[in-house]
Amino acid sequence: GAVVSQHPSRVICKSGTSVKIECRSLDFQATTMFWYRQFPKKSLMLMATSNEGSKATYEQGVEKDKFLINHASLTLSTLTVTSAHPEDSSFYICSANPTSGRFHEQFFGPGTRLTVL
Amino acid sequence: QQQVKQSPQSLIVQKGGIPIINCAYENTAFDYFPWYQQFPGKGPALLIAIRPDVSEKKEGRFTISFNKSAKQFSLHIMDSQPGDSATYFCAASIGTGANNLFFGTGTRLTVIP
Repeated sequence: GAVVSQHPSRVICKSGTSVKIECRSLDFQATTMFWYRQFPKKSLMLMATSNEGSKATYEQGVEKDKFLINHASLTLSTLTVTSAHPEDSSFYICSANPTSGRFHEQFFGPGTRLTVL
Repeated sequence: QQQVKQSPQSLIVQKGGIPIINCAYENTAFDYFPWYQQFPGKGPALLIAIRPDVSEKKEGRFTISFNKSAKQFSLHIMDSQPGDSATYFCAASIGTGANNLFFGTGTRLTVIP
């Protein structure tokens, strides 16, 4: 149990386009999902906390207009990178915390590698 | 500011050796300390976690040692195997792992056959 999927696993896009990344909790409901960014051989940096039915909470330095987060249901959160530029190229990872309260953990997705040309 | 400091950056051990990865934190409000294992191109997976009311926790070949007064904790991998080759991250949070996790910088472990 507690499986989190991400789609797509990798995406290549041209500079100036927008890219949407989906994060789904497959076998549980998640009131809270988290979005992280990871540069090569670096640590995970929390970008934002996504709560179902409300606005996401962004970490300091993360542009909310550039990284749009929507958490429309208890099993799906999306991250849209708007007007992507090469510096947005990175590994984006989501995580989800089960609503049931049985698990007090974050379960991570497999990540999405974004390359902006 | 890096809330959790991790060392070493990389580590190479022979099969059967016991790699040790160390982490230190400053925020005394942290009360949940998990370790994650990440393989290339994959998301992190929880290995083992500890709370500050115990000084050691073992799960299989993985052991966490915790020193509350020194604000340090470490991961020991017993009888390491080539399949343990991965990047290991320590982390800390307040309350539970369901809250904001502050990750260390990671340690790339290579276990030589």
